[in-house]
Amino acid sequence: NAGVTQTPKFQVLKTGQSMTLQCAQDMNHNSMYWYRQDPGMGLRLIYYSASEGTTDKGEVPNGYNVSRLNKREFSLRLESAAPSQTSVYFCASSPRSGSFGTNYGYTFGSGTRLTVV
Amino acid sequence: GQQLNQSPQSMFIQEGEDVSMNCTSSSIFNTWLWYKQDPGEGPVLLIALYKAGELTSNGRLTAQFGITRKDSFLNISASIPSDVGIYFCAGLPVDQGGKLIFGQGTELSVKP
Repeated sequence: NAGVTQTPKFQVLKTGQSMTLQCAQDMNHNSMYWYRQDPGMGLRLIYYSASEGTTDKGEVPNGYNVSRLNKREFSLRLESAAPSQTSVYFCASSPRSGSFGTNYGYTFGSGTRLTVV
Repeated sequence: GQQLNQSPQSMFIQEGEDVSMNCTSSSIFNTWLWYKQDPGEGPVLLIALYKAGELTSNGRLTAQFGITRKDSFLNISASIPSDVGIYFCAGLPVDQGGKLIFGQGTELSVKP
């Protein structure tokens, strides 16, 4: 089925460890996004990539880096994990950023549940 | 940063009841979207609204894009147990470079 695939689904890290969350979409979407979800705070944008070759900071970028490897893949890296980064991470994609047409709407992956101890 | 105020934060209702939730913003939005998140899954788009005043239905769900372009509501009629989940509103502000802003979510529980 077409969609957004995230790996891994679960991960436990020790404080200071690093890891990369992987995301791939097969819908030929131009824009991709990384969000974190914390209880009572909704979805907060970490980084996004409006198109292949570009990345920009979102609302909560500190402690993260991203790479838009190609049109399909957008990875999120934690260089030195901290307990405050315990969260559920979602990757999403859309046909293009800022579209006012009728084909907007993000498609989300099923999430990566990260615990930093 | 810009925020959407979504209410209520949670609802506990009896099967068969109707549900209403809404989102408001201090800024004008070009697009309003409503998502549902099932436990352990990512949000899934339910309804998209692109014009002020637009009223759109998807089965038992109805959503409206407010005339002022600063609010939206979602109604669910005759709730069933599978309606359980977290509902998110999301809006596309005029001046945010095309990035969606999400509300805090409304957690819905339905008692059979």
